[in-house]
Amino acid sequence: GAGVSQSPSNKVTEKGKDVELRCDPISGHTALYWYRQSLGQGLEFLIYFQGNSAPDKSGLPSDRFSAERTGGSVSTLTIQRTQQEDSAVYLCASSLENSGLSYEQYFGPGTRLTVT
Amino acid sequence: QQQVKQSPQSLIVQKGGISIINCAYENTAFDYFPWYQQFPGKGPALLIAIRPDVSEKKEGRFTISFNKSAKQFSLHIMDSQPGDSATYFCAASTLYNTDKLIFGTGTRLQVFP
Repeated sequence: GAGVSQSPSNKVTEKGKDVELRCDPISGHTALYWYRQSLGQGLEFLIYFQGNSAPDKSGLPSDRFSAERTGGSVSTLTIQRTQQEDSAVYLCASSLENSGLSYEQYFGPGTRLTVT
Repeated sequence: QQQVKQSPQSLIVQKGGISIINCAYENTAFDYFPWYQQFPGKGPALLIAIRPDVSEKKEGRFTISFNKSAKQFSLHIMDSQPGDSATYFCAASTLYNTDKLIFGTGTRLQVFP
């Protein structure tokens, strides 16, 4: 079946502009995660959605970052007033749930964001 | 306490050789240790994972060795192939709270023919 998809694949924006990144998780997956991958760095957890529970926003680096998940499916990560340090690959992942045996996270290909 | 330290940062191995990547963690509550493989332009994909009730897990040419007392685990790739060239990430979390996988910084593996 279809995997996790993300759009756009590449985004170049000017400093100070807002950007929206989209993630379509695997159908039926209740958990959705956003990560940031900077050059030469590991994956930095940003935010996590599980079903109808309140999202875990503890990884968001500043209040310029926000995310929502509509209808328990598609998610949008919004970065307001982008800064050059926001340049990175933003990865989305989904899993069936976050406990028990169905915890493998399936990653999308990412959105490469470049802030000029 | 939440860090996962990974080494080396990069690794060059000849075809047929053994690739070894090491990770160390601090949080003794961690009990789920996956390894992810990432090819350029792709998202990471789960390669193999281990729980601390075993000291070793093998899947084909890939083996995880786990040392609970030392809080270390490693990935061994036997008979390394050029197709194994990728970035490898170790990660850790608690098994029943895997919402926050803590990732290592990655190891770029290059296997030359």
